[in-house]
Amino acid sequence: AQSVTQLDSQVPVFEEAPVELRCNYSSSVSVYLFWYVQYPNQGLQLLLKYLSGSTLVKGINGFEAEFNKSQTSFHLRKPSVHISDTAEYFCAVSDLDGGSNYKLTFGKGTLLTVNP
Amino acid sequence: DTEVTQTPKHLVMGMTNKKSLKCEQHMGHRAMYWYKQKAKKPPELMFVYSYEKLSINESVPSRFSPECPNSSLLNLHLHALQPEDSALYLCASSRAQQRTEAFFGQGTRLTVV
Repeated sequence: AQSVTQLDSQVPVFEEAPVELRCNYSSSVSVYLFWYVQYPNQGLQLLLKYLSGSTLVKGINGFEAEFNKSQTSFHLRKPSVHISDTAEYFCAVSDLDGGSNYKLTFGKGTLLTVNP
Repeated sequence: DTEVTQTPKHLVMGMTNKKSLKCEQHMGHRAMYWYKQKAKKPPELMFVYSYEKLSINESVPSRFSPECPNSSLLNLHLHALQPEDSALYLCASSRAQQRTEAFFGQGTRLTVV
């Protein structure tokens, strides 16, 4: 089974500043990785995904992430954040359950707070 | 259409009540999931249905009973819940037997009194 570690539980940042949310995963032969965002009292929305190919992945709302196999990382970045980016961010890995079913395993989440 | 629709959005129930949560998707996904999320925690997997058959039960108490009547619908029947079962219940769907992204509904905020 794989696991995901989000290194920061909270990240405060000022508006228009850059931000990086860190995610590390346990090693595996092949890895499928995701970042989801959750706004207060809402469900999870997919920001971006890495399945294969280019290690730099671009997502919605100006976010991007880089898959680094040697460092087993998948950090999320945005060059300039807005107040509206304030939310909880979850890194997730897709894993086999031991049979033929895949399931998502989530990190504990990082609360991004953007201050004016 | 990448929407997963959950009803109701909010539910308050007593410990002796019976209620059901509903989830619907029309993306042709054959895997559907129930997750439970407590405040300030990540979602925790409860059940997985693959091709309308229960494939994963993460040791969930029997007071939670899932049902998948067809490929578009997923229900979660609730009976004799405890206050500690109060949480956000999220439904998700994805392609079965492929490692692709899951699409989540907006959740049902459940309060057990």
